Amino acid sequence: KAGVTQTPRYLIKTRGQQVTLSCSPISGHRSVSWYQQTPGQGLQFLFEYFSETQRNKGNFPGRFSGRQFSNSRSEMNVSTLELGDSALYLCASRLDRDNEQFFGPGTRLTVL
Amino acid sequence: GIQVEQSPPDLILQEGANSTLRCNFSDSVNNLQWFHQNPWGQLINLFYIPSGTKQNGRLSATTVATERYSLLYISSSQTTDSGVYFCAVEPAGGTSYGKLTFGQGTILTVHP
Repeated sequence: KAGVTQTPRYLIKTRGQQVTLSCSPISGHRSVSWYQQTPGQGLQFLFEYFSETQRNKGNFPGRFSGRQFSNSRSEMNVSTLELGDSALYLCASRLDRDNEQFFGPGTRLTVL
Repeated sequence: GIQVEQSPPDLILQEGANSTLRCNFSDSVNNLQWFHQNPWGQLINLFYIPSGTKQNGRLSATTVATERYSLLYISSSQTTDSGVYFCAVEPAGGTSYGKLTFGQGTILTVHP
């Protein structure tokens, strides 16, 4: 089975722009979670989607949003980028609750 | 929310040595996972171990759920074991869908 894939792998944007990141889960997995990793804050949960519904959301401003499509692929969007949004963005998929999460390779976003 | 503490924060070993990494968590969990983050940022699944003991080659893990801690053992360490090791948990009950809370990690360096 193919693993979790994320595109693009690297991205450079300037302040004020917006960005969309994509995540394709493992086949059959319906739950997709997103995380942000920074040197200062570590790994932090952004949100989780299951069957196109957001079930959980972390402590991030409304500039961070996401969605999930009927094929379980997910996108996250960050609007009005700030320098502090520079980070590694990771997505993970799993079958459902109480199952192991599997992570993609991440998208490294740099905001200039 | 649930708190996760990992120790030690840094560990330096000579090739061939054994080591034990510890993860303490503050509440009951449904999910506990150990990861190794490679230099490119990908989180590699090591164990899904909400309770009990598992072994995979030179690595083994034990979670004592009643005492709220987990241990990761690395035997006969190799230079390729270097990297950051994370423990992550998902609380039992409630609505913490898809949200893994990560510890701050243990940075392992193995010298030849």
